[in-house]
Amino acid sequence: GENVEQHPSTLSVQEGDSAVIKCTYSDSASNYFPWYKQELGKRPQLIIDIRSNVGEKKDQRIAVTLNKTAKHFSLHITETQPEDSAVYFCAAWREYGNKLVFGAGTILRVKS
Amino acid sequence: DTAVSQTPKYLVTQMGNDKSIKCEQNLGHDTMYWYKQDSKKFLKIMFSYNNKELIINETVPNRFSPKSPDKAHLNLHINSLELGDSAVYFCASSPTGGYGYTFGSGTRLTVV
Repeated sequence: GENVEQHPSTLSVQEGDSAVIKCTYSDSASNYFPWYKQELGKRPQLIIDIRSNVGEKKDQRIAVTLNKTAKHFSLHITETQPEDSAVYFCAAWREYGNKLVFGAGTILRVKS
Repeated sequence: DTAVSQTPKYLVTQMGNDKSIKCEQNLGHDTMYWYKQDSKKFLKIMFSYNNKELIINETVPNRFSPKSPDKAHLNLHINSLELGDSAVYFCASSPTGGYGYTFGSGTRLTVV
């Protein structure tokens, strides 16, 4: 079945620096890759997503890149702010089984 | 108007009891899910229903029984609760294809 690996598990950056979180997936049939942000005590919320026919997508300070050949996708946050501190999850949509498979999450801490 | 709503938000109960968590979505999505998030924040899928039909049943003890009376509702009943069942349980829903996968606010279950 699909397996999604996410690195690093924790990431500390200084306010204003960039943060990069990387994921790899195993199922070449996966075609949709969302990223979720979960603040303490709250639900995971979709922040950006990318489909397999696109290599990069940007929304203000966040961007996602996808390398289908290598089965890698990454989240990039620029000019980090304290409110970016949260747990971030990558995920891959697997058509067979009709489910999102999540990475283990990355705890991002932005120090001011 | 909350898109995916869960009740209760908090549940504290003794070992051996039976409890239910309810979930409702008003997004018109075809598929609903239950996830368990443990203390390490990992989001593990438990069940998935598509139009009231069970399509995913991961390795979950049979003390957990989902019920979907219609495609807008997915409830989770847990028998003979154990300490290890303590976690946050998230309901989610999605249309076909996974785009717009939306989580409920979660139910924090504590078994004492």
